[in-house]
Amino acid sequence: GAVVSQHPSWVICKSGTSVKIECRSLDFQATTMFWYRQFPKQSLMLMATSNEGSKATYEQGVEKDKFLINHASLTLSTLTVTSAHPEDSSFYICSANPSGREQFFGPGTRLTVL
Amino acid sequence: QQQVKQSPQSLIVQKGGISIINCAYENTAFDYFPWYQQFPGKGPALLIAIRPDVSEKKEGRFTISFNKSAKQFSLHIMDSQPGDSATYFCAASWGSNYKLTFGKGTLLTVNP
Repeated sequence: GAVVSQHPSWVICKSGTSVKIECRSLDFQATTMFWYRQFPKQSLMLMATSNEGSKATYEQGVEKDKFLINHASLTLSTLTVTSAHPEDSSFYICSANPSGREQFFGPGTRLTVL
Repeated sequence: QQQVKQSPQSLIVQKGGISIINCAYENTAFDYFPWYQQFPGKGPALLIAIRPDVSEKKEGRFTISFNKSAKQFSLHIMDSQPGDSATYFCAASWGSNYKLTFGKGTLLTVNP
């Protein structure tokens, strides 16, 4: 149990375009999901907390208008990178807690902006 | 401010040896301390976690030791195997706030 999936696993886009990444909890419902960004050989940095039915909570320094988060259902959260630029190229990972403190991560999405 | 400090940055161990990774935290409100294993190009996988009311937790070859007074916790991997070669992250969270604060990671290499 406790499986989190992401789609796509990798995406390449042109600078200035928008990219949507999906995060799904496959065998549990998640009122809260988390979005992280990880640069090569670095740790995970929390970007935002996605809340089902309400606005996402962004960490300090994360542009909410650039990284749009929609938590449309109890099993789906989406992250849209708007007007992507090469510096947005990174590994984006979502996570969720099925119950209690244990947090499970998705397989990640590799974004490359040309 | 780095709230969870992890060391060493990299570690090389021979097969069958013990791998030890250490973390120290500053926020005394932290009450949940998980360890994650991450392979290249994959998401982190939860290995083992501990709460501060116990000093040690063991699951298979993985053991967490916790020292509340020193605000330190460590991961021990017994009988290390080449398949254990990965990046390991310690993390911490507090209360009903499930947000995890991660250490910077340790790249473990287990030589055959």
